[in-house]
Amino acid sequence: KAGVTQTPRYLIKTRGQQVTLSCSPISGHRSVSWYQQTPGQGLQFLFEYFSETQRNKGNFPGRFSGRQFSNSRSEMNVSTLELGDSALYLCASSLGGLASNTGELFFGEGSRLTVL
Amino acid sequence: GENVEQHPSTLSVQEGDSAVIKCTYSDSASNYFPWYKQELGKGPQLIIDIRSNVGEKKDQRIAVTLNKTAKHFSLHITETQPEDSAVYFCAAKKSSGDKLTFGTGTRLAVRP
Repeated sequence: KAGVTQTPRYLIKTRGQQVTLSCSPISGHRSVSWYQQTPGQGLQFLFEYFSETQRNKGNFPGRFSGRQFSNSRSEMNVSTLELGDSALYLCASSLGGLASNTGELFFGEGSRLTVL
Repeated sequence: GENVEQHPSTLSVQEGDSAVIKCTYSDSASNYFPWYKQELGKGPQLIIDIRSNVGEKKDQRIAVTLNKTAKHFSLHITETQPEDSAVYFCAAKKSSGDKLTFGTGTRLAVRP
């Protein structure tokens, strides 16, 4: 069974540019959530999508957006990049998502974004 | 919202010794507490979890304890091995529909 696939694995952008990251969940999983990982800050929740609908959103500015397609694949977009957006962006898939009282998250290996 | 604090941020132990990582949470309504392990270059992976109606749970060399009154929970790893070296994250979840709030992580190094 294939795991969660994130592309690209590494990318370098300059301030002001925009970036799109992609996540393919485990087959059969309808929930995809996105996290930003930075040293000292741990995993910060960005948003969750379930069956193409955004179900939860973290405390990030509107420059961070996402969407989910009918095949459950998800993309997140960051516009007008800032130096502070440099981070590892992780996506996680799960069967029931956050609506499940527990619900194991299966993470991808992440997309490492560097903003110069 | 929920706030999860995790200590220590780094931990170095000798192979064979025990390691303990502690987390506190702020919202007494939280009822699900998972622990994730992140190896170098990989995404986090669930290693053990506990619900609020249970005080302790064990799985081979790892165990988690929960003190609801004090609002803290701990990860215990016994007989540590070099492959236990990783970053460990605790997390807390309040209810169905609520997001999972993670701690800031503990980097564990097991010296051979």
